[in-house]
Amino acid sequence: EAGVAQSPRYKIIEKRQSVAFWCNPISGHATLYWYQQILGQGPKLLIQFQNNGVVDDSQLPKDRFSAERLKGVDSTLKIQPAKLEDSAVYLCASSLEMASGDQFFGPGTRLTVL
Amino acid sequence: GQQVMQIPQYQHVQEGEDFTTYCNSSTTLSNIQWYKQRPGGHPVFLIQLVKSGEVKKQKRLTFQFGEAKKNSSLHITATQTTDVGTYFCAGPGDTGRRALTFGSGTRLQVQP
Repeated sequence: EAGVAQSPRYKIIEKRQSVAFWCNPISGHATLYWYQQILGQGPKLLIQFQNNGVVDDSQLPKDRFSAERLKGVDSTLKIQPAKLEDSAVYLCASSLEMASGDQFFGPGTRLTVL
Repeated sequence: GQQVMQIPQYQHVQEGEDFTTYCNSSTTLSNIQWYKQRPGGHPVFLIQLVKSGEVKKQKRLTFQFGEAKKNSSLHITATQTTDVGTYFCAGPGDTGRRALTFGSGTRLQVQP
């Protein structure tokens, strides 16, 4: 079974630039999550989708972050404009359904904002 | 909001020694999950505990869920260098959503 795919793996940008990350969850997984993991901390949820609908985006900084999952499969996360404090690993995870236990994480995108 | 805390933040052991990390939630949890993240890697699901007082074992790893369902522990017997990584506990949020709130993790270093 293929895992969660993410791209790019690494991205370096300057502050105030824009960046987008892509995630392809495990086939058949209805629930998709985007997490931000700052070095030395645990992952922090940014947004959760159930199919193509947003379940929770309460911790998403909506003035600069946006995410979509238009067809209920792939998802993109965008930051515009980026700030220095956005430097982190952005992890995408998926689970079979919202109530299921385990989440499967992708390899993440390491973002460095200079 | 809900907080999930882990101690210690870091532990350095000699290979063969035991290791324990503790997880405490500010709210009662319907379940608790444990993940392992190798250096440079992504979190990998280890186990989920659901019942009060539940104990589960995976080879040298023993997971326990507290009676009050607010705390949990992970114990590794006779550590090996392959156990190196950061161990996170995580529980569902307290707003009814299912997404996880992760603890800050315990980083384990094993000296050969």
